[in-house]
Amino acid sequence: VQLVESGGGLVQPGGSLRLSCAASRFTFSSFEMNWVRQAPGKGLEWVAYISSRGDTIYYADSVKGRFTISRDNAKNSLFLQMNSLRAEDTAVYYCAREGGDSWGQGTLVIVSS
Amino acid sequence: DIQMTQSPSVMSASVGDRVTITCRASRGINNYLVWFQQKPGKVPKRLIYESSNLQSGVPSRFSGSRSGTEFTLTISSLQPEDFATYYCLQHNSYPFTFGGGTKVEIK
Repeated sequence: VQLVESGGGLVQPGGSLRLSCAASRFTFSSFEMNWVRQAPGKGLEWVAYISSRGDTIYYADSVKGRFTISRDNAKNSLFLQMNSLRAEDTAVYYCAREGGDSWGQGTLVIVSS
Repeated sequence: DIQMTQSPSVMSASVGDRVTITCRASRGINNYLVWFQQKPGKVPKRLIYESSNLQSGVPSRFSGSRSGTEFTLTISSLQPEDFATYYCLQHNSYPFTFGGGTKVEIK
């Protein structure tokens, strides 16, 4: 199993970023996926879930209405569109397969002016 | 939302010690409880799934158990490589929630 995130970086408050997670070495379309984040020096926080077909989605209250999770099973890719970013969204963002058995290496998002 | 109360938040232990970490769920989560280990700068690693199933490749000194809404991770004999932070995660209902973490330090 391989998961590789990309798209992180420095963004100003109120800005947007789109994270990607490229999946390989497993049948991506058969698995539910999640985004999890970790602020610097803090614990883990679950962010969003998407079912294998993309027809069921859930969000943490802290990101609801601002973040959108999606997937493209034909391209073995998971996405997180992040809008209206706040300083408190600064974190390493991980994509994780259902049950947490596999994680990407993470991508750092810094929201700062 | 289901709250996961993890304790202790920090503990000091010696090599060879038996270590117990607890997560209490604010309501029933069946066996949908996962334990992770995370070392500084590293990705979380799944140790236990469905409350008591050992992840393939994880040493047998790690075990998980459940009593009602209380879940326990036990390390039977702490090894030098086990000094890390441990998290529980409930995935019974959304939003999924992690415990606050337990940092196991060297005494």
